[in-house]
Amino acid sequence: EAGVAQSPRYKIIEKRQSVAFWCNPISGHATLYWYQQILGQGPKLLIQFQNNGVVDDSQLPKDRFSAERLKGVDSTLKIQPAKLEDSAVYLCASSLVYSGANVLTFGAGSRLTVL
Amino acid sequence: DAKTTQPTSMDCAEGRAANLPCNHSTISGNEYVYWYRQIHSQGPQYIIHGLKNNETNEMASLIITEDRKSSTLILPHATLRDTAVYYCIAISNFGNEKLTFGTGTRLTIIP
Repeated sequence: EAGVAQSPRYKIIEKRQSVAFWCNPISGHATLYWYQQILGQGPKLLIQFQNNGVVDDSQLPKDRFSAERLKGVDSTLKIQPAKLEDSAVYLCASSLVYSGANVLTFGAGSRLTVL
Repeated sequence: DAKTTQPTSMDCAEGRAANLPCNHSTISGNEYVYWYRQIHSQGPQYIIHGLKNNETNEMASLIITEDRKSSTLILPHATLRDTAVYYCIAISNFGNEKLTFGTGTRLTIIP
């Protein structure tokens, strides 16, 4: 089966500019996650979608970050305006919805460098 | 989620068994132990999970102590491709808990 697709793989921008990342989950996976991974740290959950509804966005910096999942399939994460501390890898993951598992499939990530 | 404690780094010789420990002394009765790993420049990859019985799959074995306060992930014949950061996470499979990653154990396989 095809994996979780993310693009772009790398992006370099200057502070105060905007950037968008795209994610296409595994077909049939109703749950989609965006994680932020700063160098040397474990991934941190930013937002979780169930189909096209938000389940948890408690750690999303809503003043600058936004995410949407139209039609319950692919998703876009946007940062506007970017800050230096947003430099990180943005990981998208998806999972099936059924009781009894936290088995997520991750994409390769989008590495953002803010100068 | 129960807090987990892992060594920061470990080395293992290629071809030998790699045994990665995890302490989760405050784990509750409905929390599973999950293991993920992250190879350089890739996203995390699910390995295995268990509740109280030992588990084995094509990637690894998971040994959970009887009191469930600690566990060990075993890679039976480590290869260079097993060099990665390994994350141990204790989480319930029900409710709204979210998968939260710590800093994990950096495992280096030595040729």
